Amino acid sequence: NAGVTQTPKFQVLKTGQSMTLQCAQDMNHNSMYWYRQDPGMGLRLIYYSASEGTTDKGEVPNGYNVSRLNKREFSLRLESAAPSQTSVYFCASSERWTSGSSSYNEQFFGPGTRLTVL
Amino acid sequence: GIQVEQSPPDLILQEGANSTLRCNFSDSVNNLQWFHQNPWGQLINLFYIPSGTKQNGRLSATTVATERYSLLYISSSQTTDSGVYFCAVFKLIFGTGTLLAVQP
Repeated sequence: NAGVTQTPKFQVLKTGQSMTLQCAQDMNHNSMYWYRQDPGMGLRLIYYSASEGTTDKGEVPNGYNVSRLNKREFSLRLESAAPSQTSVYFCASSERWTSGSSSYNEQFFGPGTRLTVL
Repeated sequence: GIQVEQSPPDLILQEGANSTLRCNFSDSVNNLQWFHQNPWGQLINLFYIPSGTKQNGRLSATTVATERYSLLYISSSQTTDSGVYFCAVFKLIFGTGTLLAVQP
């Protein structure tokens, strides 16, 4: 059981180049997320997918696109990379469950992709 | 949007000491998680604790949802506890973290 996996682990791009970050989970979770973490800060949500076939913007979506390829995979694409997108990118997945009148939604994170844009 | 504040921002401990980290949030939430980010950048789930108290070895956490705060207790700290501790709420909105350094 690998949990959440991400590829690549490291990437260096030049300004204007494009690339796709890959994420896969084997926990059969419905929801998946992409976050970025800048130095000295917490994570900020870029996009999420509540279920297969749906995607929604998070706090910082500009400059990114996502694809929920199937239930397992959720990719993040940078069409024209900028130095401001230098960051560590984390993917996460979760499954919502209910107990009585309450709902719960614990997230599990991948190891991250360290991206540098020159 | 929801604001998440953590305190203290930095903490230096001697090995064996105890500590309490605090997370305040500005609105009611039904999801709260504590994470440890180790020096290699890996995010490790510590607790999923929208309310109540949980314990796992030397770590425990308490969330008082009605008063909008959560506490993470670390007892008998070890050098391997060093890193940044984050609480996160909702979907998730992360606090700025507490940087913990445990010295031998």
